[in-house]
Amino acid sequence: QKEVEQNSGPLSVPEGAIASLNCTYSDRGSQSFFWYRQYSGKSPELIMSIYSNGDKEDGRFTAQLNKASQYVSLLIRDSQPSDSATYLCAVGEGAQKLVFGQGTRLTINP
Amino acid sequence: NAGVTQTPKFRILKIGQSMTLQCTQDMNHNYMYWYRQDPGMGLKLIYYSVGAGITDKGEVPNGYNVSRSTTEDFPLRLELAAPSQTSVYFCASSWAGGRTDTQYFGPGTRLTVL
Repeated sequence: QKEVEQNSGPLSVPEGAIASLNCTYSDRGSQSFFWYRQYSGKSPELIMSIYSNGDKEDGRFTAQLNKASQYVSLLIRDSQPSDSATYLCAVGEGAQKLVFGQGTRLTINP
Repeated sequence: NAGVTQTPKFRILKIGQSMTLQCTQDMNHNYMYWYRQDPGMGLKLIYYSVGAGITDKGEVPNGYNVSRSTTEDFPLRLELAAPSQTSVYFCASSWAGGRTDTQYFGPGTRLTVL
């Protein structure tokens, strides 16, 4: 069974600091990696996608992928209270059959 | 564009009742998906469809049925509701299932079975 594991939360980070979220996956054939943000009571919202080894930056967000280690991470720089949410890692061979991790709840403390 | 819409937003069912969760997308996406999310957990794929008339099972299909007669609509049918089906249900869609395609989610339906 394909598995996606995220670091257990909740994670508490001071405002302005860097939040680091981690995810490992079991299927070496995975080609697509996504980070979704989910506010309480809301639906998942895509914030980052990454397909190749290395870093991908988008504003305050950086996704890092290491296929050899089967590891993907999300860094949030200059964390804001509005970043407080649950972050879901999703992995798949494509968009068709994504496997989601259990999520990491992040709280940014003012 | 409204994106992916779901109805109803909330529903309470009694054990043994049946209902249909509606999902519609206006992005002309070919692929559509149904997930359930239990409290504090990630999303589990129930069923998905790669086009009108084509559906396939996901990870947790038991107790559910789907159909896809049009590109826009992908209803999820619950027969003989059980307390274990208490969950939040999300519908999603993507243009295709390729490496760089992205799933977009509807607002969800919160279902309680008592």
